[in-house]
Amino acid sequence: EADIYQTPRYLVIGTGKKITLECSQTMGHDKMYWYQQDPGMELHLIHYSYGVNSTEKGDLSSESTVSRIRTEHFPLTLESARPSHTSQYLCASSANTEAFFGQGTRLTVV
Amino acid sequence: DQQVKQNSPSLSVQEGRISILNCDYTNSMFDYFLWYKKYPAEGPTFLISISSIKDKNEDGRFTVFLNKSAKHLSLHIVPSQPGDSAVYFCAASGAGNMLTFGGGTRLMVKP
Repeated sequence: EADIYQTPRYLVIGTGKKITLECSQTMGHDKMYWYQQDPGMELHLIHYSYGVNSTEKGDLSSESTVSRIRTEHFPLTLESARPSHTSQYLCASSANTEAFFGQGTRLTVV
Repeated sequence: DQQVKQNSPSLSVQEGRISILNCDYTNSMFDYFLWYKKYPAEGPTFLISISSIKDKNEDGRFTVFLNKSAKHLSLHIVPSQPGDSAVYFCAASGAGNMLTFGGGTRLMVKP
């Protein structure tokens, strides 16, 4: 059973607000990822980390930022939310090849 | 440039029949391939994987086939069940183990 948790599951927020999406894993995995999935189904990598103090941008450009101060924690922050940020955000972690996903955060910016 | 492609956005199959989901890749450095299943409003869950040193891996009703020369893999589900209805993602990894996902195929299994 994978132990990776995302909060909140659903979030509706007004334009201009700052938000942080939480992601925690208890498996001790070094690698963590954030993916964005729009209703068109494709999963796009927006951020990843190889370990503490390591963060990289993914294939899809994103206005969000991430931090990795602790192994188990990989939060994603939007300084000023906009309607174009409305999407599902999926966090994942891996030790080697198989990635385990959290349940996702469905973000709606109104 | 999409390195992993799933050319069929959707597939409809009758219960009890075989479902075949296809995936093509372009990067010859990929050496490990995975299939994930995703229900709406949930995160993807790992289904089955295959290393590039093999051409087939079987787990119950699920079998993954890899054709390295064609850079093609497929997932076979037999017999298909209504509970298999979901979006299936193909993923590949190489050096650094970063996963690259395909665009997904929505499978609908009709009772």
